[in-house]
Amino acid sequence: KAGVTQTPRYLIKTRGQQVTLSCSPISGHRSVSWYQQTPGQGLQFLFEYFSETQRNKGNFPGRFSGRQFSNSRSEMNVSTLELGDSALYLCASSSRDSSSTDTQYFGPGTRLTVL
Amino acid sequence: AQSVTQPDIHITVSEGASLELRCNYSYGATPYLFWYVQSPGQGLQLLLKYFSGDTLVQGIKGFEAEFKRSQSSFNLRKPSVHWSDAAEYFCAVAGFENFNKFYFGSGTKLNVKP
Repeated sequence: KAGVTQTPRYLIKTRGQQVTLSCSPISGHRSVSWYQQTPGQGLQFLFEYFSETQRNKGNFPGRFSGRQFSNSRSEMNVSTLELGDSALYLCASSSRDSSSTDTQYFGPGTRLTVL
Repeated sequence: AQSVTQPDIHITVSEGASLELRCNYSYGATPYLFWYVQSPGQGLQLLLKYFSGDTLVQGIKGFEAEFKRSQSSFNLRKPSVHWSDAAEYFCAVAGFENFNKFYFGSGTKLNVKP
């Protein structure tokens, strides 16, 4: 089975721009979660989608948004980029919804640099 | 609230030596615990997980971890470290309100001396 894929792997943007990151989960997985990883804050949960519905959201401003499509692929969007948004954005997929636990499998991440 | 603490930011061990990485969690019920490894510029790879049952769990690459409820710990061990084990290791607990919301420790960077 193919793993979680994320595109693009690297992205450079300037302040004020917006960006869209894409994640394709493992085949058959319907839950997709997004995390932001920075040296200062570590790994922080952004949001989770299951069956096209956002189930949970972390403590991030409204500039961070996401969606999930009927094929379980997910996108996250960051508008009005700030320097502090520079981070590795990781996507994870799981076969279960949030009411029962299962392993989350992570993609390689998208490295976003904001200049 | 759930949280994970990894007390050691950096650890250096000699190749062939044993390794123990510490992880303490705060959780109101039976936790679901994970260890992941991250190589530079890469995503997270699952090493092992604990859901229930035997408190000593085996993972990939020769790693094992022991769940100790009385100490709120889930320490990762390896009897003999290889140079390729140099990476950053993260302990995580699944959230009580949303099992797909993981809480991660701050990570432990492992250096391996030849």
